[in-house]
Amino acid sequence: GAGVSQSPSNKVTEKGKDVELRCDPISGHTALYWYRQSLGQGLEFLIYFQGNSAPDKSGLPSDRFSAERTGGSVSTLTIQRTQQEDSAVYLCASSQQGGNEQFFGPGTRLTVL
Amino acid sequence: GEDVEQSLFLSVREGDSSVINCTYTDSSSTYLYWYKQEPGAGLQLLTYIFSNMDMKQDQRLTVLLNKKDKHLSLRIADTQTGDSAIYFCAEMDSNYQLIWGAGTKLIIKP
Repeated sequence: GAGVSQSPSNKVTEKGKDVELRCDPISGHTALYWYRQSLGQGLEFLIYFQGNSAPDKSGLPSDRFSAERTGGSVSTLTIQRTQQEDSAVYLCASSQQGGNEQFFGPGTRLTVL
Repeated sequence: GEDVEQSLFLSVREGDSSVINCTYTDSSSTYLYWYKQEPGAGLQLLTYIFSNMDMKQDQRLTVLLNKKDKHLSLRIADTQTGDSAIYFCAEMDSNYQLIWGAGTKLIIKP
């Protein structure tokens, strides 16, 4: 597609369940970012993939959060044993290698009941 | 650590100019950005400025950068109702990471 896509657009889950969020970056973009945006807050960096390099996981808030990127393209963010404080919009962005512009997907709104 | 600050709300009358301000702490930032987020929509890059520039103009948008004071502003001329959104300031650090402000909600009064 022409832009970054994310799925699902909305996810409601029960506390304690695992969820998987998907991101399809723009074709050819080697860098991929995951952010979290809580209500009324700015974006919180979670993880960054650049090509085949080891990802920068410094923003992951706990070991319940993990992400992978298969084949240098699609990425999945997994949250295990979800908690209510995990409720937020999870945004994915991609950019060209060394590029200064990040292109954002529409986000996945996660609600943990 | 690095920080980006912006006021949470700005209210202007339709037709007036809006000026959204942002301050940052990272002296090694390379690019500074303004993103727009409309209700229920994703983030849209509005404009960006390289750190060795002090001004950039694009139609109704003017970005001013005072690198000495680490102050960035976005001016929207002739503000319209369609400009209602949250505007995020962000700076790119030396690791190509974006550091974000909390966003300024622009409210347009008729």
